[in-house]
Amino acid sequence: GAVVSQHPSWVICKSGTSVKIECRSLDFQATTMFWYRQFPKQSLMLMATSNEGSKATYEQGVEKDKFLINHASLTLSTLTVTSAHPEDSSFYICSARDLWGAENQPQHFGDGTRLSIL
Amino acid sequence: AQKVTQAQTEISVVEKEDVTLDCVYETRDTTYYLFWYKQPPSGELVFLIRRNSFDEQNEISGRYSWNFQKSTSSFNFTITASQVVDSAVYFCALSDPNTGGFKTIFGAGTRLFVKA
Repeated sequence: GAVVSQHPSWVICKSGTSVKIECRSLDFQATTMFWYRQFPKQSLMLMATSNEGSKATYEQGVEKDKFLINHASLTLSTLTVTSAHPEDSSFYICSARDLWGAENQPQHFGDGTRLSIL
Repeated sequence: AQKVTQAQTEISVVEKEDVTLDCVYETRDTTYYLFWYKQPPSGELVFLIRRNSFDEQNEISGRYSWNFQKSTSSFNFTITASQVVDSAVYFCALSDPNTGGFKTIFGAGTRLFVKA
């Protein structure tokens, strides 16, 4: 079945570091990918919609300059957390929709990235 | 505006009990899709079911069953004869095809504890 690979699974880094998370669709093309953030014991909150070849659409309250999204190809979207601080520590999950999938094709989720900023 | 409400924050049952997880949604659209996902402690999201707004037929899959009622905007999920492995957080979600890219909104989740 369709698989979305998210890398890395875990990141621990110092405050002020920029961290890049990759989301790849392995066996299908995805014009649209989504980035979610999940704080402990909370729900998934959509951060932005990543569109191949165009600018991402950010949800209200999400800092565009803080969370840089690039969707350069039909199989890859990246999220860069710039100058990360401890409050950015969270579980980040990406998902992708199959370009040729049926309208009710579920999003295919990556396994998530646990980001810890010290 | 779209909204998904899972009023039950946590549920605790004893193994072999049946348990129903409630989900109520709000949308102005006539075409939409509903989902249930399971998130075990390891964190990955496991897709369980999708339903489109035109299909109110209930579905059963093994010990899982879903009751979709448009009249009450509910999409409830029942686990029959629960098992310890069912312990997880369960999310109900709503996707709108009228929103660019089928953006999906998640409920707050219900944490299910199944005790042996």
